[in-house]
Amino acid sequence: EAQVTQNPRYLITVTGKKLTVTCSQNMNHEYMSWYRQDPGLGLRQIYYSMNVEVTDKGDVPEGYKVSRKEKRNFPLILESPSPNQTSLYFCASSLAQGLGGELFFGEGSRLTVL
Amino acid sequence: AQSVTQLGSHVSVSEGALVLLRCNYSSSVPPYLFWYVQYPNQGLQLLLKYTSAATLVKGINGFEAEFKKSETSFHLTKPSAHMSDAAEYFCAVSPSGSARQLTFGSGTQLTVLP
Repeated sequence: EAQVTQNPRYLITVTGKKLTVTCSQNMNHEYMSWYRQDPGLGLRQIYYSMNVEVTDKGDVPEGYKVSRKEKRNFPLILESPSPNQTSLYFCASSLAQGLGGELFFGEGSRLTVL
Repeated sequence: AQSVTQLGSHVSVSEGALVLLRCNYSSSVPPYLFWYVQYPNQGLQLLLKYTSAATLVKGINGFEAEFKKSETSFHLTKPSAHMSDAAEYFCAVSPSGSARQLTFGSGTQLTVLP
C-alpha cells in the first residue's frame, strides 16, 4: 500500500530534550516536506527536500533541522524543543520534485513540549 | 507572493443540503489551485485541483469547484451533504504548480447535521 509513515504519532516531551520525528514514504517520490498545523493558521511549511541531499527552508524553519540521506526517509529534528513548537506535524511527499502540486500526507505527529 | 483566504472557519449544513466553502486567492501569476480534505485524525488528501484547463473542476466524493478569475475565487461545492463529509477543508495555491510553493488557507471545519 502506498503510504507516508510518521513516528511517533503522539509525543509529550520537555523543553530542551532533543527529539526526532521520522518520516518514510514507499512511493519512490523525489519531493518530501514537513508542515506544522496550528489552529487558525492552516499548514505552514518547515523544510522541504527536492531530492537526496537537497534540502531547503520553508516558511517557518527556526528551531528545526532535517536531513535527506536516502530517498525514502526525511526525519525532522528538534535539537532543543520549546513550548512554541507544540503543534501537529505532517510529513508529505510528491512525485517529480513536487510538480503538479499533489502531496501525499502522513497521518500526523502530535507533539507537546512542556 | 501568493495568499489564500478561506471565509468562515466553521460551516454547518444539514444532511442533504448544499455545501459551499469559500476560497479567495491572490497570486501575481495564473495560479494552480487545490482543495484538500482532512478527516479526523488523518492527514490531508487531495480533493481536486485546477491547472488552467477547464474552469469547473470535478473532484472525488461529488465535490466540485469553479475557478473565477474575475473574482479571484475557487469556491468548493457539493449539491447534497452527507454525514461522511464532516471534515476540515483546506484551499491552497501555487503560482507554478510546484508543491514547494504551495500556500494553504487557514481551513474550514464542515459540520453536517442530521
